[in-house]
Amino acid sequence: ETGVTQTPRHLVMGMTNKKSLKCEQHLGHNAMYWYKQSAKKPLELMFVYNFKEQTENNSVPSRFSPECPNSSHLFLHLHTLQPEDSALYLCASSLGGTMNTEAFFGQGTRLTVV
Amino acid sequence: SQQGEEDPQALSIQEGENATMNCSYKTSINNLQWYRQNSGRGLVHLILIRSNEREKHSGRLRVTLDTSKKSSSLLITASRAADTASYFCATDARGGRRALTFGSGTRLQVQP
Repeated sequence: ETGVTQTPRHLVMGMTNKKSLKCEQHLGHNAMYWYKQSAKKPLELMFVYNFKEQTENNSVPSRFSPECPNSSHLFLHLHTLQPEDSALYLCASSLGGTMNTEAFFGQGTRLTVV
Repeated sequence: SQQGEEDPQALSIQEGENATMNCSYKTSINNLQWYRQNSGRGLVHLILIRSNEREKHSGRLRVTLDTSKKSSSLLITASRAADTASYFCATDARGGRRALTFGSGTRLQVQP
């Protein structure tokens, strides 16, 4: 257990569905991140939040919509996804606004878009 | 192109042998970190080395950093079957985005 919890662990959704991924940490961290991990590709940074404010959007399509209501919770809202969006979605948190300390990752949500 | 790229992509060794993985990166960094990932799971932090450090140890792990060559290596000594996993280097780029940039990873298989 890293202290970062992601739900659900697995999700299968149709291209017309709307679903949300949830990430929660109670480590007292102020920065939270969404990464996408596709097969045989490096982890891709999607979004960064510092003190609940989005500080990075790595040119992510608008069908992915993040939400950070407080420093402990991070959501990724999904709608009208494509099959190529199938991947492992990883949430991470770190103490400060820059990753000059270690990052703590959740176990990920394995997303399959059919 | 990726900031961190690991070499080799895959490595298979016998239990008890040492495993060495290399990482190259392109820009100046504040620190470089190594992570481990078991299949389909989250990443676990192993070790962080700062740009002004050259070598760091943690248990059976030894990490080196050569900022002049923009490279790092991770050595796992006396490997065990439980070390089987993917290993990633990640860089915190100086003046860059406020997040780690990961390489493609090295898949390590330790045969019992």
